[in-house]
Amino acid sequence: GQNIDQPTEMTATEGAIVQINCTYQTSGFNGLFWYQQHAGEAPTFLSYNVLDGLEEKGRFSSFLSRSKGYSYLLLKELQMKDSASYLCAATDSNYQLIWGAGTKLIIKP
Amino acid sequence: IAGITQAPTSQILAAGRRMTLRCTQDMRHNAMYWYRQDLGLGLRLIHYSNTAGTTGKGEVPDGYSVSRANTDDFPLTLASAVPSQTSVYFCASSEGDGTQETQYFGPGTRLLVL
Repeated sequence: GQNIDQPTEMTATEGAIVQINCTYQTSGFNGLFWYQQHAGEAPTFLSYNVLDGLEEKGRFSSFLSRSKGYSYLLLKELQMKDSASYLCAATDSNYQLIWGAGTKLIIKP
Repeated sequence: IAGITQAPTSQILAAGRRMTLRCTQDMRHNAMYWYRQDLGLGLRLIHYSNTAGTTGKGEVPDGYSVSRANTDDFPLTLASAVPSQTSVYFCASSEGDGTQETQYFGPGTRLLVL
């Protein structure tokens, strides 16, 4: 079957670093997306990993291990505006996205 | 218009009524999608269209229909609404060129079926 697992909720402190993990099982695999979704808003694209390794984009980095079916999103220098849900999605062999339920990140001052 | 628009923003609907959710994109994307998002669940694909004139069923298609008469518009119809269709509905689009398929989302329609 196809499955995406990520923690339901995480809490972190402003200015700190947080890592949100995601494991996936899909029929075929082409890449892994991370999206950010603020409460009451639409998901917005953060990153896309195809190859193993770490990709850095400013304060956000995303890591992929295809052999382990594992990814993480790393957020540095947390700001209050980073409070949101973070959605992990894997593309299957037909390039359809299989979505996780999302990780709600709460940032405390 | 810039990106994807959806209408209405929100709606309260009596059970048994017919309702069409509208979605329009101006990015000339080939592929379009309809998702529903419920608390505690991931986005679930209802229907999709890889190009104008074609549609396909997603994970949860029952009770919904779509059409894709042109590139820009992808309406979703609930033929006879039921309370379990209360949800937030997102339309999305992607270039549909068969490679990286980053999806871009509309603002959503919040639907309450009573």
